[in-house]
Amino acid sequence: EVQLVESGGGLVKPGGSLTLSCAASGFTFSSYNMNWVRQAPGKGLEWVSSISRSASDIYYADSVKGRFTTSRDNAKKSMYLQMNSLRAEDTAIYYCARGLREVAGNIDYWGQGALVTVSA
Amino acid sequence: QPVLTQSSSASVSLGSSVKLTCTLTSGHSHYIVAWHQRQPGKAPRYLMNLEGSGTYNRGSGVPDRFSGSSSGADRYLTISNVQSEDEADYYCETWDSNTPVVFGGGTKLAVL
Repeated sequence: EVQLVESGGGLVKPGGSLTLSCAASGFTFSSYNMNWVRQAPGKGLEWVSSISRSASDIYYADSVKGRFTTSRDNAKKSMYLQMNSLRAEDTAIYYCARGLREVAGNIDYWGQGALVTVSA
Repeated sequence: QPVLTQSSSASVSLGSSVKLTCTLTSGHSHYIVAWHQRQPGKAPRYLMNLEGSGTYNRGSGVPDRFSGSSSGADRYLTISNVQSEDEADYYCETWDSNTPVVFGGGTKLAVL
C-alpha cells in the first residue's frame, strides 16, 4: 500500500524557518517524481515544488522561489521541504504527493498533510 | 503555460448525476488532466487521468461511478448515482515542461 506521511509542521513566527519531511513506503521511491502542494485556509490547491526522480531537476512556484528548498534522499525514501523567511501567507496545510511523469506532476497519491502556521 | 478554468460551485441531488468541467486554455487543448477530490477535513484523493481523446484511467479504489470524457479543450468529470460522500471539492491538474504542476481553481460540489 502506498503511504506518504508528512511531519514537521507547527507554529512559527514570521521570518522563521521550518523543515517538513515526507516519508514514503509501499512503492519504489526512486522511480517517481515527488511534489509539495499546499492549501491555505479557504483557498484552493497551490503547487509549491517538484523534484525529479534523481533530484536532477527541482522546480518552485514563484511565490516560494528563493525561500524554500526541496530535496530528497532515495536511500531513506524521504523528501524534504526547507522553508525559510516564512510569511503569514505561507500558512497552509502542506501535502506531499507522488507524481507519475518523468520529471514532475501528474499526482496519483497524496499524504495526509502537515499544518504550518506562521503567526507572531 | 496552461491555465485550467473550473466553475466555483455546483449542486446535485442525491442519486442523480453531475458533470463537472475543467477547461484548458487555447493552445493546450491536447493536454492530459488529472482529477482530484478533496472531501471536507481529508487529504486530496486522485480520481483519474483524462486524455483529450476521452480515454480515462481511474485510480486505485475509485468507484466506477466516476467517469471522464473530453470535448476540445474541455475535460469532464461525471459522477453518477451521487452519494452524500461525494460532497467535496474537485480539482483538475495538468503539467508541462515549463510549469510542472498547474491546478484549476476547484469546484465545490454540494449534494442536496
